[in-house]
Amino acid sequence: SQQGEEDPQALSIQEGENATMNCSYKTSINNLQWYRQNSGRGLVHLILIRSNEREKHSGRLRVTLDTSKKSSSLLITASRAADTASYFCATDHQAGTALIFGKGTTLSVSS
Amino acid sequence: KAGVTQTPRYLIKTRGQQVTLSCSPISGHRSVSWYQQTPGQGLQFLFEYFSETQRNKGNFPGRFSGRQFSNSRSEMNVSTLELGDSALYLCASTVDGAWEQFFGPGTRLTVL
Repeated sequence: SQQGEEDPQALSIQEGENATMNCSYKTSINNLQWYRQNSGRGLVHLILIRSNEREKHSGRLRVTLDTSKKSSSLLITASRAADTASYFCATDHQAGTALIFGKGTTLSVSS
Repeated sequence: KAGVTQTPRYLIKTRGQQVTLSCSPISGHRSVSWYQQTPGQGLQFLFEYFSETQRNKGNFPGRFSGRQFSNSRSEMNVSTLELGDSALYLCASTVDGAWEQFFGPGTRLTVL
């Protein structure tokens, strides 16, 4: 079953604009991760935020986590055409390192 | 370091057949997880292996099985294929204790 649910499902912006994606989850977590997938290929890890962190930055990426609302957001600043991809949030699954993914946000950046 | 590799990349089978997919993790990674991705259900966790033992299993029927070898390479098998098994099957590896997973390019399975 899905743990995370991303919003919006699809997002279209122009190059240079910022893109914000949101993720909600259902149960308590140890951490939350964001992954990117280009055209039905493998996923690439973008950033991880631990449950005791509220905000994290990596290059043009900014992630926030609100454990009281069970939600997270991913902000991509100054978007580029190369950022066109699907973005998924993922949370940990019981024991082990298995992940539960949301259904993703498809981002389209046009030049 | 070489990334996660999956073979074959594309596969076409007919209903009722069985299929075996292979995954070679990044050197030094002993945890391997498998995921199924479909347009309708999204990314769903199949199972996780660590040191040749299944450590975690998702909610899939017994037709889906897997194993891991002593060199950490993993295979998954789907028997009695159904049309709904058509999907992108992704393998991911990680260092035990780490949360970041490294994904392979996937195997695209089409069941006719």
